[in-house]
Amino acid sequence: DAGVIQSPRHEVTEMGQEVTLRCKPISGHDYLFWYRQTMMRGLELLIYFNNNVPIDDSGMPEDRFSAKMPNASFSTLKIQPSEPRDSAVYFCASSLDRARPTYGYTFGSGTRLTVV
Amino acid sequence: GDSVTQMEGPVTLSEEAFLTINCTYTATGYPSLFWYVQYPGEGLQLLLKATKADDKGSNKGFEATYRKETTSFHLEKGSVQVSDSAVYFCALSGLAGDDKIIFGKGTRLHILP
Repeated sequence: DAGVIQSPRHEVTEMGQEVTLRCKPISGHDYLFWYRQTMMRGLELLIYFNNNVPIDDSGMPEDRFSAKMPNASFSTLKIQPSEPRDSAVYFCASSLDRARPTYGYTFGSGTRLTVV
Repeated sequence: GDSVTQMEGPVTLSEEAFLTINCTYTATGYPSLFWYVQYPGEGLQLLLKATKADDKGSNKGFEATYRKETTSFHLEKGSVQVSDSAVYFCALSGLAGDDKIIFGKGTRLHILP
C-alpha cells in the first residue's frame, strides 16, 4: 500500500485566496482525521470522519474552514478565504476502526501551507 | 478529561547517551499507549505501542513500559544516535466512547555528534 497520500506537499498562496488540500486514505480504512501543526499550538485535531461521515468538527477554527469526504478514498480540507495565520503544516491520517487501539493511525507526509 | 503530559523539550544529548522522555497520562479506562516519532519534514510515524498494563513496546532500540500504577509510559533508549533527532509524541487511544487518539505536545530531541 502507498500509505496516506496528501497533495500538494507545499502550497503558497496570497491572503484571501481559496486553498484546497487533498487526502487519499489507506484503502479499507474507515476513519480519516485532519490535523494542523504549528510551532505555537503543536498538533491540533481539526475534524474526523467515520465511514465518510463527519463525526467531530469541534476543532475547526472558524467558518472559513470546511472539510468533505465524498467517498471512502478521498477527502478535502478547504480554507476560504485564507489568512496568514492559517500558515501551518496540515496532516491527514487514517485508521482501521477495529485495529486502532493496537495500530494507531497512519499519517500522510503533510501539506505545508504558507499564506502571504 | 483524558490527557497526556510529556516532558517539555528540547532535549539535547550527545551521541551514545542514555535517553529518557517522560510521559504520564490521565484516563478513566484502560487505554492503549503509543509513541510516535516525527522526523524533519515528515509526518508522524508509529514508533511503538503497548495495549495493556505491564506490556513493553519496543522498536529500533527504543522501549517503553505501560505502568498502570504510576500511569506512565516513559520512552527510553540506551544509546542514542544522531539519526534519532526528531520530535517524539506520546499518545493514548481506545477509551470507551471516544474514537480519537489523544496526543501529547511533543518533545524535540537533538543528538549532537
